[in-house]
Amino acid sequence: NAGVTQTPKFQVLKTGQSMTLQCAQDMNHNSMYWYRQDPGMGLRLIYYSASEGTTDKGEVPNGYNVSRLNKREFSLRLESAAPSQTSVYFCASTPPGADTEAFFGQGTRLTVV
Amino acid sequence: QKEVEQDPGPLSVPEGAIVSLNCTYSNSAFQYFMWYRQYSRKGPELLMYTYSSGNKEDGRFTAQVDKSSKYISLFIRDSQPSDSATYLCAMSYGNNRLAFGKGNQVVVIP
Repeated sequence: NAGVTQTPKFQVLKTGQSMTLQCAQDMNHNSMYWYRQDPGMGLRLIYYSASEGTTDKGEVPNGYNVSRLNKREFSLRLESAAPSQTSVYFCASTPPGADTEAFFGQGTRLTVV
Repeated sequence: QKEVEQDPGPLSVPEGAIVSLNCTYSNSAFQYFMWYRQYSRKGPELLMYTYSSGNKEDGRFTAQVDKSSKYISLFIRDSQPSDSATYLCAMSYGNNRLAFGKGNQVVVIP
């Protein structure tokens, strides 16, 4: 049982390049989330998906797009990366009716130069 | 004003000391109160949660919620070097969205 798996673990991009961060969970959870974590800023919600086929903006959605491909997978896309998007990105999921317990992936460390 | 305030200052304590962490919040609609622990270069993991005012104990950890003051605390007794981590408070309306504090880095010195 792998839980929440994120790929890649590390990435360096040049300004203006695009990339997609992948996330998959094998716990049959309905809700999935993308957060970014910056020093002194805590975890900030980028986008979330309450169920397959739905997505909603969080606190800091600008510069990002998401796709809920199916119940297991939720991807985050940076269309034109900027240095301000240098961060650690976490994917998470919550079981139905128990949104107190979010299960997090190991994170993707992204550097935009 | 952010919904959840947590002073992100680092905290260093000697082994065996009591660690005290706290968060304040502004929205009285929050129903669930959680503490997550995050080791370096790992994802956060749920440590404790509660949905009512009062204390909840789990081994060396005690979570305290005071809804009237909009204040939550986490106490770690007999702290160990393995407790060195960042601790994040989190709160929820029960709508599948969590609001996190900034986190406190705790270092327990042997």
